[in-house]
Amino acid sequence: DSGVTQTPKHLITATGQRVTLRCSPRSGDLSVYWYQQSLDQGLQFLIQYYNGEERAKGNILERFSAQQFPDLHSELNLSSLELGDSALYFCASSVDPTGRGYGYTFGSGTRLTVV
Amino acid sequence: DQQVKQNSPSLSVQEGRISILNCDYTNSMFDYFLWYKKYPAEGPTFLISISSIKDKNEDGRFTVFLNKSAKHLSLHIVPSQPGDSAVYFCAAIVSGNTPLVFGKGTRLSVIA
Repeated sequence: DSGVTQTPKHLITATGQRVTLRCSPRSGDLSVYWYQQSLDQGLQFLIQYYNGEERAKGNILERFSAQQFPDLHSELNLSSLELGDSALYFCASSVDPTGRGYGYTFGSGTRLTVV
Repeated sequence: DQQVKQNSPSLSVQEGRISILNCDYTNSMFDYFLWYKKYPAEGPTFLISISSIKDKNEDGRFTVFLNKSAKHLSLHIVPSQPGDSAVYFCAAIVSGNTPLVFGKGTRLSVIA
């Protein structure tokens, strides 16, 4: 157990729908990162939050949004889902917003399947 | 534009031999590099890292080498064990700036 909790582990939904992925960071970590891993792709950075504020944005679609709450958990909202959104979505956390040292601690991911 | 490249999607090695996983990067501003290991149905886990001020870092069976002039790093696993079979991701960061940038990964199979 890495200390980063992601729910749900699996999600199957239809095109056009909206889903919410949840992440609880490791205790003490203020930064949360969301990554997407599609088939044959590496981990693509989506967005980072640090202590409730958006800190960095990657190739996140406009249909996707995220937030970090006062208790530091984070949610990734995916709307108007398309078949191509099917992927593994990872949440990671770190105490250092720069990611140095031991880098990030990852959760086990949410596998999203859009049918 | 892929800033971190792992050109070998897979690698197969005999148990007890050396495994060498390679990674190339294009952004000369990267100053910290990490290797992660990922088993199926799990998230990536940190393995070893190296700062750009060093050219080698060793931790048990794992050694990472950095060649800044070639923008190349490699992970050596000696001796390789069946439990090392996993996907290995190379990652890089510009300190204080961008989040970790990952390569596509190399699947290592260690054959008993």
